[in-house]
Amino acid sequence: NAGVTQTPKFQVLKTGQSMTLQCAQDMNHNSMYWYRQDPGMGLRLIYYSASEGTTDKGEVPNGYNVSRLNKREFSLRLESAAPSQTSVYFCASREGTEAFFGQGTRLTVV
Amino acid sequence: RKEVEQDPGPFNVPEGATVAFNCTYSNSASQSFFWYRQDCRKEPKLLMSVYSSGNEDGRFTAQLNRASQYISLLIRDSKLSDSATYLCVASGGSNYKLTFGKGTLLTVNP
Repeated sequence: NAGVTQTPKFQVLKTGQSMTLQCAQDMNHNSMYWYRQDPGMGLRLIYYSASEGTTDKGEVPNGYNVSRLNKREFSLRLESAAPSQTSVYFCASREGTEAFFGQGTRLTVV
Repeated sequence: RKEVEQDPGPFNVPEGATVAFNCTYSNSASQSFFWYRQDCRKEPKLLMSVYSSGNEDGRFTAQLNRASQYISLLIRDSKLSDSATYLCVASGGSNYKLTFGKGTLLTVNP
């Protein structure tokens, strides 16, 4: 049972490059989330999707776009990466109480 | 003001100690509350939900005071394996948003 799968696990980008972080869940959950985690800042919500076909901004959406491709998949896109986007990114899905997280993507922008 | 604020920590305690974490939330519309645990370089995982009546799970007790907008977690008889970062989480109303505190690092020493 895979749960929440994120790809890639590690990525190094040059400033200005673009990339998409992929997230898929196999638990048939309606809600999905993207967070970033930086030292001393905790988990900050970038975007979330309450259900298929809807997305909403979180606390730190600038510089990111998302797509809820279907119920399973919720992708996060960086159009023009900046060093300030160096972080660990977590995807999560939730139905009811518990949110399940992927293992994270460690992104470095140089 | 951040929506969810926690004790900054870190907490260093000996094995067998009792330790308490405090958390406040600012959004009075928040309806669900949780404590998550995050081990170093891993994804967060649900430790326990928090109910108004208070709830206990083995050595862990969670309390919620809606009037004061205050949440607590008590760990009794600390074990080395309790060493982790503890995250306070609030979920608001119908928008499904999950907001995390910055987390409190606990180290239990032999």
